[in-house]
Amino acid sequence: DAGVIQSPRHEVTEMGQEVTLRCKPISGHNSLFWYRQTMMRGLELLIYFNNNVPIDDSGMPEDRFSAKMPNASFSTLKIQPSEPRDSAVYFCASSLGGPETQYFGPGTRLLVL
Amino acid sequence: ELKVEQNPLFLSMQEGKNYTIYCNYSTTSDRLYWYRQDPGKSLESLFVLLSNGAVKQEGRLMASLDTKARLSTLHITAAVHDLSATYFCAVGNQFYFGTGTSLTVIP
Repeated sequence: DAGVIQSPRHEVTEMGQEVTLRCKPISGHNSLFWYRQTMMRGLELLIYFNNNVPIDDSGMPEDRFSAKMPNASFSTLKIQPSEPRDSAVYFCASSLGGPETQYFGPGTRLLVL
Repeated sequence: ELKVEQNPLFLSMQEGKNYTIYCNYSTTSDRLYWYRQDPGKSLESLFVLLSNGAVKQEGRLMASLDTKARLSTLHITAAVHDLSATYFCAVGNQFYFGTGTSLTVIP
């Protein structure tokens, strides 16, 4: 298996633009997680899905952030409009569900100018 | 919000030595995770601890959980250079992360 796939790997955009991050989980995994990592705030769970349904989105910072999982093999995290403070590395992870071992993607490094 | 504290934040140790990283958290939880992150890389899951007294071992790393003390430890035995990385614990269903412990193993 190719592991968790994220795209793009790097994104540079200007403040106010829409940003869409993409994630393909490992085939057969039914839980998907979006995390953000910054120097100031460390690692944060943004949202997680189980069987394509959002279970907990309490970590989503504000209405500018939205996440979808239209099917078991694809998820998006969208920021609209983007702001410089959104600059971070965004990780996607998947697992077999429940408190199981998570497998992380390589991350998307986002820079908002 | 659950608070998670790791200590030490930085650890430099010689090869062959033993050491322990501590993860304390503020409210009751029965699940705790340990991760490793190499510089500039993604995260790797190390252990999932799901009950009081749980102990798991993989190679030179051993993790334990004491839910009554709200404490988990990650013990390193006979450290080798390849263990140099940042280690994070995360607690609860919402994965509250600690600040991480940056470990450097010196030959």
